[in-house]
Amino acid sequence: SQKIEQNSEALNIQEGKTATLTCNYTNYSPAYLQWYRQDPGRGPVFLLLIRENEKEKRKERLKVTFDTTLKQSLFHITASQPADSATYLCALDRLNTDKLIFGTGTRLQVFP
Amino acid sequence: DAGVIQSPRHEVTEMGQEVTLRCKPISGHNSLFWYRQTMMRGLELLIYFNNNVPIDDSGMPEDRFSAKMPNASFSTLKIQPSEPRDSAVYFCASSGTGMNTEAFFGQGTRLTVV
Repeated sequence: SQKIEQNSEALNIQEGKTATLTCNYTNYSPAYLQWYRQDPGRGPVFLLLIRENEKEKRKERLKVTFDTTLKQSLFHITASQPADSATYLCALDRLNTDKLIFGTGTRLQVFP
Repeated sequence: DAGVIQSPRHEVTEMGQEVTLRCKPISGHNSLFWYRQTMMRGLELLIYFNNNVPIDDSGMPEDRFSAKMPNASFSTLKIQPSEPRDSAVYFCASSGTGMNTEAFFGQGTRLTVV
């Protein structure tokens, strides 16, 4: 069956360090992968999209990698800040559709 | 644009009652998604529409759930009859033309069935 797995345990890091979150998938052949941020009581908010033919994408302090051989994406936040504390979700499309499937998310807590 | 608008924000109902959740997508978007989020199962896709037509409803849990999109600016998700296990946060999202586009989410409706 198709699965998108993110570390269900919270990630706790100190301010200023780099946070790295993982998204693994099986039995998918996505054309692209997206990362979202979700704060308590709010809907997910889009952060970055990376296509299958892209290895890496950056946006300010964010960096995403996409390895279609390993079926894995890594999401990095450099110089992390307490304001980065949230749940981060990865999402994949179904081939040739707009159907967007989400992982369960990883909660990030950045301590000052 | 005000973004994706959902109503109500909170709904508390008794088991067996009909519940209707509403969504207004972003103007010009042609894909609309309904998701359900719980602690146990995360964010699950229930159904999505493209150009007002239901494309995939394989995530709808059972016949008690139904969704409609009568026009490009309005969609409903109905649960009849509701059960306590339907308690969750229901999100509506919309996205623009073609693939490789981001989804914009509403604030969600927190449903509690007692």
